[in-house]
Amino acid sequence: GENVEQHPSTLSVQEGDSAVIKCTYSDSASNYFPWYKQELGKRPQLIIDIRSNVGEKKDQRIAVTLNKTAKHFSLHITETQPEDSAVYFCAAKGRFRNDYKLSFGAGTTVTVRA
Amino acid sequence: KAGVTQTPRYLIKTRGQQVTLSCSPISGHRSVSWYQQTPGQGLQFLFEYFSETQRNKGNFPGRFSGRQFSNSRSEMNVSTLELGDSALYLCASSLQGIVDEQYFGPGTRLTVT
Repeated sequence: GENVEQHPSTLSVQEGDSAVIKCTYSDSASNYFPWYKQELGKRPQLIIDIRSNVGEKKDQRIAVTLNKTAKHFSLHITETQPEDSAVYFCAAKGRFRNDYKLSFGAGTTVTVRA
Repeated sequence: KAGVTQTPRYLIKTRGQQVTLSCSPISGHRSVSWYQQTPGQGLQFLFEYFSETQRNKGNFPGRFSGRQFSNSRSEMNVSTLELGDSALYLCASSLQGIVDEQYFGPGTRLTVT
């Protein structure tokens, strides 16, 4: 089945700096990679996703890159702001036995220092 | 549009009991997925229902089951509760399923004593 590893587990950055979170996955057939943001006490919300036919996707200060050969994808947040402080989860859609499932990384707690 | 709702929000049960959690998806969404969130294991996929049929299943024991009704509302049942089942149970609805944006509910916090 799909196994998603996420690094680092915690990340502290100065406001205005960039933050990068990396994930690796094991199932080479995985073709959908979303990123979710979960603020303290709130529900996860999708911030960006990428499909396997695309190498990079940007949405304002957020970008995701995908390297299918190396089986890893990364989230890049530029010009970080205090409201970017949250837990970020990567995920990959992969095969599990005869089904598909969305496997999540363990999460990265991002703290933006003012 | 109203968001995803879950009931109850909090639940305390004893080992060996069973529990049923409910999820009402966003109107028009036919897919409902269930996730277990714990500090140690993160977010783990339980199963997905689409048009009243279980379409995908994660790696959880048979004590975890679910169903979906014709109005897309879904229930999850856990039988013979264990201490390790204590977690936040999140459901998420979407238009197309797990390759589509998941809209999460607020979750049900289950504590097993």
